[in-house]
Amino acid sequence: EIVLTQSPGTLSLSPGERATLSCRASQTVNNRYLAWYQLNPGQAPRLLIYGASSRATGIPDRFSGSGSGTDFTLTIRRLGPEDSAVYYCQQYGSSPDTFGQGTRLEIK
Amino acid sequence: QLQLQESGPGLVKPSETLSLTCTVYGGSISSSSYYWGWIRQPPGKGLEWIGSISYTGSIDYNPSLKSRVTMSVDTSNSQFSLRLSSVTAADTAVYYCARRLATYYYQYWGQGTLVTVSS
Repeated sequence: EIVLTQSPGTLSLSPGERATLSCRASQTVNNRYLAWYQLNPGQAPRLLIYGASSRATGIPDRFSGSGSGTDFTLTIRRLGPEDSAVYYCQQYGSSPDTFGQGTRLEIK
Repeated sequence: QLQLQESGPGLVKPSETLSLTCTVYGGSISSSSYYWGWIRQPPGKGLEWIGSISYTGSIDYNPSLKSRVTMSVDTSNSQFSLRLSSVTAADTAVYYCARRLATYYYQYWGQGTLVTVSS
């Protein structure tokens, strides 16, 4: 199975800054089938990005995804307090689906 | 807006079977475009895909759990279910149900339900 490694483990930034989250795969992710999710305790996880770079419905353009092959990035511009969460990448190009271990984003 | 709600016991004894149900509101469970899945998150750990099922009963399970997992769909009640047998403390987790587009990404998730395995 494909192992996804996310970095950094924790990111602490100030409002208005830009966050760059990395997701590296142990093998090529077919067809750029990579998604990003935002998780907050007690809330339903939210799909942010699919197909490596397509924003899900209702996701502001502050969120962008890029990458291919084994290296993918989620970028969040103009950070606000509401962006404090844990972010996970998921590859769905090869079975079984796998998720990264998550990056915790803290807004100072 | 589609909503999903997990339900089931919050405490299960070791060696017993964990049973959860997900009810779908605001949309049809009987669509060939979607699969219905289960994902879990043990305390302090990342997400783990458990399996997915279509309304026709087409199923895909994570090989690491396949021997213990059973999933089913009840279209008349807009529900799908998960059964995980012979549970141990390692199965303690928040269990999420979700709708996925075919065998791709998960579009909508439930809020999750914590299941603790303990005697």
